[in-house]
Amino acid sequence: DQQVKQNSPSLSVQEGRISILNCDYTNSMFDYFLWYKKYPAEGPTFLISISSIKDKNEDGRFTVFLNKSAKHLSLHIVPSQPGDSAVYFCAATRVSDSWGKLQFGAGTQVVVTP
Amino acid sequence: NAGVTQTPKFRVLKTGQSMTLLCAQDMNHEYMYWYRQDPGMGLRLIHYSVGEGTTAKGEVPDGYNVSRLKKQNFLLGLESAAPSQTSVYFCASSWIGTGANEQFFGPGTRLTVL
Repeated sequence: DQQVKQNSPSLSVQEGRISILNCDYTNSMFDYFLWYKKYPAEGPTFLISISSIKDKNEDGRFTVFLNKSAKHLSLHIVPSQPGDSAVYFCAATRVSDSWGKLQFGAGTQVVVTP
Repeated sequence: NAGVTQTPKFRVLKTGQSMTLLCAQDMNHEYMYWYRQDPGMGLRLIHYSVGEGTTAKGEVPDGYNVSRLKKQNFLLGLESAAPSQTSVYFCASSWIGTGANEQFFGPGTRLTVL
Protein backbone atom coordinates (compact mmCIF):
# COMPACT_ATOMS: atom_id res chain seq x y z
CA ASP A 1 0.00 0.00 0.00
CA GLN A 2 1.61 3.21 -1.17
CA GLN A 3 1.76 5.76 1.60
CA VAL A 4 2.89 8.55 -0.72
CA LYS A 5 0.92 9.17 -3.90
CA GLN A 6 1.53 11.34 -6.90
CA ASN A 7 -1.65 11.00 -8.90
CA SER A 8 -0.50 12.88 -11.97
CA PRO A 9 1.99 10.80 -13.93
CA SER A 10 2.73 13.64 -16.31
CA LEU A 11 2.50 17.40 -16.66
CA SER A 12 3.11 19.60 -19.68
CA VAL A 13 3.71 23.33 -19.19
CA GLN A 14 4.87 26.21 -21.33
CA GLU A 15 8.19 27.86 -20.67
CA GLY A 16 7.78 30.81 -18.33
CA ARG A 17 4.54 29.53 -16.80
CA ILE A 18 4.04 27.93 -13.39
CA SER A 19 4.36 24.18 -12.84
CA ILE A 20 2.39 22.75 -9.93
CA LEU A 21 3.12 19.20 -8.82
CA ASN A 22 0.96 17.52 -6.21
CA CYS A 23 1.62 14.83 -3.63
CA ASP A 24 -0.64 13.19 -1.06
CA TYR A 25 0.32 11.01 1.87
CA THR A 26 -1.65 8.71 4.14
CA ASN A 27 0.65 8.22 7.13
CA SER A 28 0.07 11.00 9.67
CA MET A 29 3.36 10.12 11.36
CA PHE A 30 5.35 11.58 8.47
CA ASP A 31 6.88 14.87 9.53
CA TYR A 32 9.46 15.64 6.89
CA PHE A 33 8.98 15.82 3.15
CA LEU A 34 11.39 16.04 0.25
CA TRP A 35 11.28 16.54 -3.49
CA TYR A 36 13.80 14.90 -5.77
CA LYS A 37 14.39 15.59 -9.44
CA LYS A 38 15.53 12.93 -11.88
CA TYR A 39 16.88 13.22 -15.40
CA PRO A 40 17.01 10.18 -17.72
CA ALA A 41 19.94 7.82 -17.07
CA GLU A 42 20.83 9.68 -13.87
CA GLY A 43 20.05 9.15 -10.22
CA PRO A 44 17.59 11.38 -8.35
CA THR A 45 18.98 14.61 -6.93
CA PHE A 46 17.63 16.47 -3.93
CA LEU A 47 15.63 19.57 -4.79
CA ILE A 48 13.88 20.99 -1.75
CA SER A 49 12.39 19.84 1.55
CA ILE A 50 9.96 20.96 4.22
CA SER A 51 9.43 20.11 7.85
CA SER A 52 5.93 19.62 9.24
CA ILE A 53 6.44 22.62 11.52
CA LYS A 54 6.32 24.82 8.44
CA ASP A 55 3.71 25.27 5.76
CA LYS A 56 5.99 26.78 3.12
CA ASN A 57 9.61 26.60 2.07
CA GLU A 58 11.13 28.53 -0.78
CA ASP A 59 14.39 28.14 -2.68
CA GLY A 60 14.75 30.32 -5.74
CA ARG A 61 12.20 29.30 -8.34
CA PHE A 62 11.03 26.35 -6.23
CA THR A 63 8.46 26.55 -3.44
CA VAL A 64 6.95 23.67 -1.51
CA PHE A 65 3.67 24.06 0.33
CA LEU A 66 2.46 21.70 3.04
CA ASN A 67 -1.13 21.27 4.18
CA LYS A 68 -0.96 18.89 7.13
CA SER A 69 -4.68 18.70 7.73
CA ALA A 70 -5.22 17.56 4.14
CA LYS A 71 -2.05 15.43 4.12
CA HIS A 72 -1.08 17.19 0.92
CA LEU A 73 1.96 18.96 -0.38
CA SER A 74 2.72 20.68 -3.63
CA LEU A 75 5.79 21.89 -5.48
CA HIS A 76 5.58 25.12 -7.45
CA ILE A 77 8.16 25.97 -10.10
CA VAL A 78 8.05 29.59 -11.24
CA PRO A 79 8.95 30.36 -13.95
CA SER A 80 9.32 26.96 -15.61
CA GLN A 81 12.39 26.49 -17.79
CA PRO A 82 13.26 23.82 -20.38
CA GLY A 83 15.92 22.44 -18.01
CA ASP A 84 13.15 21.66 -15.53
CA SER A 85 11.94 18.85 -17.80
CA ALA A 86 12.48 15.79 -15.62
CA VAL A 87 10.70 13.32 -13.34
CA TYR A 88 9.92 14.71 -9.90
CA PHE A 89 9.56 12.41 -6.92
CA CYS A 90 7.88 13.32 -3.67
CA ALA A 91 9.23 11.54 -0.57
CA ALA A 92 8.24 11.43 3.08
CA THR A 93 9.78 10.26 6.32
CA ARG A 94 9.74 10.62 10.08
CA VAL A 95 12.57 12.65 11.54
CA SER A 96 12.55 10.34 14.55
CA ASP A 97 13.26 7.44 12.19
CA SER A 98 16.97 7.43 12.79
CA TRP A 99 17.65 5.29 9.77
CA GLY A 100 16.51 7.96 7.33
CA LYS A 101 14.23 5.67 5.39
CA LEU A 102 12.21 7.46 2.72
CA GLN A 103 8.82 6.57 1.20
CA PHE A 104 8.64 7.72 -2.40
CA GLY A 105 5.74 8.53 -4.66
CA ALA A 106 5.59 7.15 -8.20
CA GLY A 107 6.84 10.38 -9.74
CA THR A 108 5.50 13.04 -12.12
CA GLN A 109 7.09 13.56 -15.54
CA VAL A 110 7.29 17.28 -16.29
CA VAL A 111 7.77 18.50 -19.84
CA VAL A 112 8.44 22.20 -20.35
CA THR A 113 7.73 23.30 -23.90
CA PRO A 114 9.20 26.41 -25.58
CA ASN B 1 35.02 13.76 -5.80
CA ALA B 2 32.93 11.19 -7.69
CA GLY B 3 30.05 11.08 -5.16
CA VAL B 4 28.14 7.80 -5.46
CA THR B 5 29.12 5.40 -8.23
CA GLN B 6 27.49 2.14 -9.29
CA THR B 7 28.89 -0.83 -11.21
CA PRO B 8 27.78 -2.09 -13.70
CA LYS B 9 25.50 0.36 -15.52
CA PHE B 10 23.66 -2.34 -17.45
CA ARG B 11 23.35 -6.10 -17.09
CA VAL B 12 21.29 -8.88 -18.65
CA LEU B 13 20.91 -12.10 -16.70
CA LYS B 14 19.18 -15.40 -17.32
CA THR B 15 16.77 -16.73 -14.73
CA GLY B 16 18.69 -18.48 -11.98
CA GLN B 17 21.97 -16.67 -12.52
CA SER B 18 23.61 -14.70 -9.77
CA MET B 19 25.29 -11.32 -9.72
CA THR B 20 26.55 -8.58 -7.44
CA LEU B 21 25.94 -4.87 -7.85
CA LEU B 22 28.59 -2.61 -6.38
CA CYS B 23 27.99 0.81 -4.87
CA ALA B 24 30.85 3.05 -3.80
CA GLN B 25 30.79 6.48 -2.17
CA ASP B 26 33.67 8.82 -1.44
CA MET B 27 31.85 11.22 0.89
CA ASN B 28 32.59 9.30 4.10
CA HIS B 29 28.86 8.75 4.62
CA GLU B 30 27.73 6.41 7.38
CA TYR B 31 24.39 5.41 5.89
CA MET B 32 23.85 3.61 2.60
CA TYR B 33 20.70 2.38 0.86
CA TRP B 34 19.66 0.19 -2.05
CA TYR B 35 16.42 1.02 -3.91
CA ARG B 36 14.68 -0.41 -6.92
CA GLN B 37 12.60 1.69 -9.29
CA ASP B 38 9.75 0.14 -11.24
CA PRO B 39 7.22 1.86 -13.52
CA GLY B 40 4.36 3.38 -11.52
CA MET B 41 5.96 2.37 -8.21
CA GLY B 42 8.50 5.04 -7.40
CA LEU B 43 11.61 3.96 -5.50
CA ARG B 44 11.30 1.17 -2.96
CA LEU B 45 13.90 0.42 -0.31
CA ILE B 46 15.49 -3.03 -0.54
CA HIS B 47 18.15 -3.00 2.18
CA TYR B 48 20.10 -0.37 4.04
CA SER B 49 23.16 -0.04 6.23
CA VAL B 50 23.80 2.26 9.17
CA GLY B 51 27.53 1.66 9.25
CA GLU B 52 30.37 -0.65 8.31
CA GLY B 53 29.48 -4.25 9.11
CA THR B 54 25.75 -3.58 9.62
CA THR B 55 22.78 -4.19 7.32
CA ALA B 56 19.00 -4.20 7.69
CA LYS B 57 15.95 -5.09 5.60
CA GLY B 58 13.89 -2.49 3.86
CA GLU B 59 10.48 -2.67 2.24
CA VAL B 60 11.22 -5.30 -0.45
CA PRO B 61 14.21 -7.42 0.71
CA ASP B 62 13.19 -10.86 -0.58
CA GLY B 63 15.59 -12.34 -3.14
CA TYR B 64 18.41 -9.95 -2.27
CA ASN B 65 21.35 -9.97 0.09
CA VAL B 66 23.74 -7.16 1.00
CA SER B 67 27.09 -6.65 2.61
CA ARG B 68 28.97 -3.61 3.94
CA LEU B 69 32.48 -4.83 4.65
CA LYS B 70 33.99 -1.40 4.04
CA LYS B 71 32.43 1.93 4.92
CA GLN B 72 32.64 3.22 1.37
CA ASN B 73 31.13 0.14 -0.34
CA PHE B 74 27.68 -1.41 -0.25
CA LEU B 75 27.10 -4.57 -2.28
CA LEU B 76 23.74 -5.90 -3.44
CA GLY B 77 23.58 -9.56 -4.39
CA LEU B 78 21.05 -11.60 -6.31
CA GLU B 79 21.65 -15.28 -5.62
CA SER B 80 19.14 -16.66 -8.13
CA ALA B 81 17.75 -13.98 -10.41
CA ALA B 82 14.07 -13.98 -11.35
CA PRO B 83 12.25 -11.98 -14.07
CA SER B 84 10.46 -10.06 -11.27
CA GLN B 85 13.85 -8.56 -10.38
CA THR B 86 14.06 -6.76 -13.70
CA SER B 87 14.32 -3.17 -12.58
CA VAL B 88 16.54 -0.13 -12.23
CA TYR B 89 18.58 -0.25 -9.04
CA PHE B 90 19.77 2.87 -7.25
CA CYS B 91 22.22 3.16 -4.44
CA ALA B 92 22.17 6.16 -2.11
CA SER B 93 24.17 7.40 0.84
CA SER B 94 23.76 9.99 3.55
CA TRP B 95 25.91 11.47 6.30
CA ILE B 96 23.56 10.47 9.07
CA GLY B 97 20.27 8.65 9.04
CA THR B 98 17.88 11.22 10.40
CA GLY B 99 14.86 11.90 8.28
CA ALA B 100 15.99 15.44 7.64
CA ASN B 101 19.20 14.36 6.00
CA GLU B 102 19.61 14.45 2.25
CA GLN B 103 20.38 11.21 0.45
CA PHE B 104 22.78 11.28 -2.50
CA PHE B 105 22.03 8.84 -5.30
CA GLY B 106 24.17 6.99 -7.79
CA PRO B 107 23.35 6.89 -11.53
CA GLY B 108 21.61 3.51 -11.37
CA THR B 109 22.04 -0.01 -12.74
CA ARG B 110 19.53 -1.26 -15.30
CA LEU B 111 19.06 -5.01 -14.82
CA THR B 112 17.09 -7.28 -17.11
CA VAL B 113 16.37 -10.87 -16.14
CA LEU B 114 15.25 -13.11 -19.00
